[in-house]
Amino acid sequence: SYVLTQPPSVSVAPGKTARITCGGNNIGSKSVHWYQQKPGQAPVLVIYYDSDRPSGIPERFSGSNSGNTATLTISRVEAGDEADYYCQVWDSSSDPFWVFGGGTKLTVL
Amino acid sequence: EVQLVETGGGLIQPGGSLRLSCAASGFTVSSNYMSWVRQAPGKGLEWVSVIYSGGSTYYADSVKGRFTISRDNSKNTLYLQMNSLRAEDTAVYYCARVPEVDYMDVWGKGTTVTVSS
Repeated sequence: SYVLTQPPSVSVAPGKTARITCGGNNIGSKSVHWYQQKPGQAPVLVIYYDSDRPSGIPERFSGSNSGNTATLTISRVEAGDEADYYCQVWDSSSDPFWVFGGGTKLTVL
Repeated sequence: EVQLVETGGGLIQPGGSLRLSCAASGFTVSSNYMSWVRQAPGKGLEWVSVIYSGGSTYYADSVKGRFTISRDNSKNTLYLQMNSLRAEDTAVYYCARVPEVDYMDVWGKGTTVTVSS
C-alpha cells in the first residue's frame, strides 16, 4: 500500500509561516488533499488537488506538490490555526484506495 | 445547507454487531461517492469503506468481510453494518462525501463506537 509520511509536530510563532510536509514515493504524480482537524471536531478540507482552496478557507492556506514531497503552507499563522493536519491521496492501485498521512500537530507558540 | 449526521454508535461487546447511520441533507447520497472514515483514540484517520454512485462497494482490508456499506435512497441515508466487532474497531466513525473520487469535502461530526467487555 502507498505510504504518506508527515512530521508528528510543527511549531510556529503567530504571524509567521508554517510549512507541513507530506512525503510519498513520487507523490508529485498524484493529487494531494489536506484536512484540518481541531480537538473534538471532524476534519475539514482545507486544500484539494494540491493547491485548490474550498470556499471559506482563507487565502493564507496554500499547497504545493512536486517530486516526493507535498507541502501545506499556512501564512500569517493565527492561534486558531492550531490543529492536526492530515494529507491524503487517492490511489486506485493501492489498498486502501484513500490513504492518509499520520498527521501533524501544528502548535502556535 | 449540506450536512451529514451520524448516529448509532455505542458500547458493544467483542463479537457483537452495530449499524451506523449517516443522514444527509442538502444533497443526494445516491448521486455521490460516500465513504466511512474512522479515527481510533489518539490516532490518525483511517479510510474504512466507500460506496460509489453506481453501487459498487469497497473496503479496507482491516474490515473486509465484517463490515457492509449500504444506502437507502428513499431516506437519503448511508449505513455501515459492523459485525464481528473487535477491540481494534474502537473509534470515532465519520461519514464523508467524496465529490470527485479523490477527496472528501463534507464530513459529519462522527459517532463513537467502543468495543469492550
